[in-house]
Amino acid sequence: AQSVTQLGSHVSVSEGALVLLRCNYSSSVPPYLFWYVQYPNQGLQLLLKYTSAATLVKGINGFEAEFKKSETSFHLTKPSAHMSDAAEYFCAVRPNTGGFKTIFGAGTRLFVKA
Amino acid sequence: DVKVTQSSRYLVKRTGEKVFLECVQDMDHENMFWYRQDPGLGLRLIYFSYDVKMKEKGDIPEGYSVSREKKERFSLILESASTNQTSMYLCASSLVAGDRTDTQYFGPGTRLTVL
Repeated sequence: AQSVTQLGSHVSVSEGALVLLRCNYSSSVPPYLFWYVQYPNQGLQLLLKYTSAATLVKGINGFEAEFKKSETSFHLTKPSAHMSDAAEYFCAVRPNTGGFKTIFGAGTRLFVKA
Repeated sequence: DVKVTQSSRYLVKRTGEKVFLECVQDMDHENMFWYRQDPGLGLRLIYFSYDVKMKEKGDIPEGYSVSREKKERFSLILESASTNQTSMYLCASSLVAGDRTDTQYFGPGTRLTVL
């Protein structure tokens, strides 16, 4: 069965520092992968997605993620954190065969210190 | 822009009450979803629908039912609310049934408290 693990329920960085949010999936066949962001008191919105076209995926607000099959990972990065990046981030997977359900990770809350 | 709206942002109900959560999307999307969001558990799928009057159980359907009489509207029903159903409920929609790369668009959520 598909699963997704986000390492670290909370991550704290200083403004201007690198943001790295980790996501690992388990699947015998590489799935489709998504990162969503949830700002306070809002629903989730898509940051970026991997659809097998390119392993390095660029998203909104300066975020990007790299699909690494050998490591079964899809970590999210941003070179320089901004205060407005403080939010909860969810990694999600959807299998490319079989069922269509999306499986969400537990989420990582990002804190940005001034 | 796709807009997904939910009927209430906050709701307080009593144990045993029947509760209706409504969701409407304005972009003619085929798929609609109901998730429950709890701290440390991420989002868990309750039910989804890929067409009018069609529904599929998700991972945690017990204690819930759904209704989709019109394409744009998807309702979640708690037949007899219990305290363990206190949670944030998120509705989502996506454009095409069967497209595995499809983006889901989420509503702002309804925070339900059952006393």
